[in-house]
Amino acid sequence: QLQLQESGPGLVKPSETLSLTCAVSGGPIRRSVSYYWGWIRQPPGKGLEWIASIYYSGATKYNPSLKSRVSLSVDASNNRFSLEMTSVTAADTAVYYCARQDAVMVPTPPTIWGQGTLVTVSS
Amino acid sequence: QSVLTQPPSASGAPGQRVTISCSGSASNIGNNFVSWFQQLPGTAPKVLVSRNDRRPAGVPDRFSGSTSGTSASLAISGLRSEDEADYYCATWDDSLSSQVFGGGTKLTVL
Repeated sequence: QLQLQESGPGLVKPSETLSLTCAVSGGPIRRSVSYYWGWIRQPPGKGLEWIASIYYSGATKYNPSLKSRVSLSVDASNNRFSLEMTSVTAADTAVYYCARQDAVMVPTPPTIWGQGTLVTVSS
Repeated sequence: QSVLTQPPSASGAPGQRVTISCSGSASNIGNNFVSWFQQLPGTAPKVLVSRNDRRPAGVPDRFSGSTSGTSASLAISGLRSEDEADYYCATWDDSLSSQVFGGGTKLTVL
C-alpha cells in the first residue's frame, strides 16, 4: 500500500523560502513511468489549488500563477520528492498535500494523497 | 473564480439520491479525465471517482461518476449522515496547462 508523508517547517517568515518534502513508502519513485508526483494546497477554509507535478525523470509541470516562485525535485535514492516556494507571503498559508497522479500524457488528478501539513507564513 | 463550476451547496434527506454537477469546457472536462474527491473536516481529500467513472477499491457503489461533453456529475444514492462533507471535481486544462479544481460543494444531509 503506497503511502505519502509530508514534512517540513510549520512556520515560515514572510519573504523567506518554504521547503517541504514528501516521503514515499510502499513503492519506488525511480522508474515509476506511470506516475507524476505532485503538490496541492488548501488555504484555511478555502478550496484546493494545484501547485506543480514532477515525473520520475525530472520533467515538471507548474501552475502558471506560481511558476516563478516554485521548484520541484526528486530524490529517487531516498524515495522522496520536494517542493520549494520562494518569497512567501501570508497568502501562501495553507495545508500542503503531496500526492501521486497517474501519467496519461498529462497528470491526472491525484489518486493517492498524503495527510497534509499546515504551513503558516507569519513573522 | 474556478475554471470548473460547482454549486456551492447541495442537500438531501437520508436515503435520497443527490447529484453534484461540475461544469467546464472543451479544454478541460471535454478532453481529460475527471476525478471526484470527498473531504471531511480536518482531513485530506479522499478519492471517490477517478478517470471519469472508476471507483477505487473500498468506495461504496452508492457513489458514481459520469461525464457528458463538457460537464461531469457525481451521484450519491442512499444518502447517509456520514456523507456530509465537501466534494470537489478536478481535471487537467489544456489551455491553462494546469490541473484545475472545482470550487467545492458542501453537502448537507438533512
